[in-house]
Amino acid sequence: GAGVSQSPSNKVTEKGKDVELRCDPISGHTALYWYRQRLGQGLEFLIYFQGNSAPDKSGLPSDRFSAERTGESVSTLTIQRTQQEDSAVYLCASSPGLAAYEQYFGPGTRLTVT
Amino acid sequence: GDSVTQMEGPVTLSEEAFLTINCTYTATGYPSLFWYVQYPGEGLQLLLKATKADDKGSNKGFEATYRKETTSFHLEKGSVQVSDSAVYFCALILLTGGGNKLTFGTGTQLKVEL
Repeated sequence: GAGVSQSPSNKVTEKGKDVELRCDPISGHTALYWYRQRLGQGLEFLIYFQGNSAPDKSGLPSDRFSAERTGESVSTLTIQRTQQEDSAVYLCASSPGLAAYEQYFGPGTRLTVT
Repeated sequence: GDSVTQMEGPVTLSEEAFLTINCTYTATGYPSLFWYVQYPGEGLQLLLKATKADDKGSNKGFEATYRKETTSFHLEKGSVQVSDSAVYFCALILLTGGGNKLTFGTGTQLKVEL
């Protein structure tokens, strides 16, 4: 079956522009996560969706970052007025539910802000 | 807050050498522990996990034992292969009070040479 997919795989944008990153989770997975991996650093949690519950946004670094998810399907991470420090690989993961430990990761979107 | 510390890389070994990648954690509760692996050009994959003290996770010849007394989860393999070359991430989840977000270490790059 299909895994988690993300698009685009690479994105180069100018400072100050807005970007949208897309994640398609595994079908039937109710939980969806966004993480960020900056060069030389570990993955940082950004936001977590579980079913119809209010998302856990505690990891979003600023109000320039937002994310949406429609039901239990696609999610979009939006970064407004991008800054150079936003350059990173943005990873999406999904899991079958709240009690499931394993998260299945997508290949990531490499964002470069020039 | 919760954190994971793992040894810095890159670690370079000859094929058939013994591998240890150290990982220690700090958590306010009783976490579950994981090793994820990222092969070149691929997404993160779960390698192994342990959910309680003294549990040993194992997969593909890799092992790690959950040591509560030393708050450690070191990854070991008796004989590495070139195909094991990848970046290895230690991570934890606290399911109570911390949501389901993974807290990752910074990753350790392993290079195995012939």
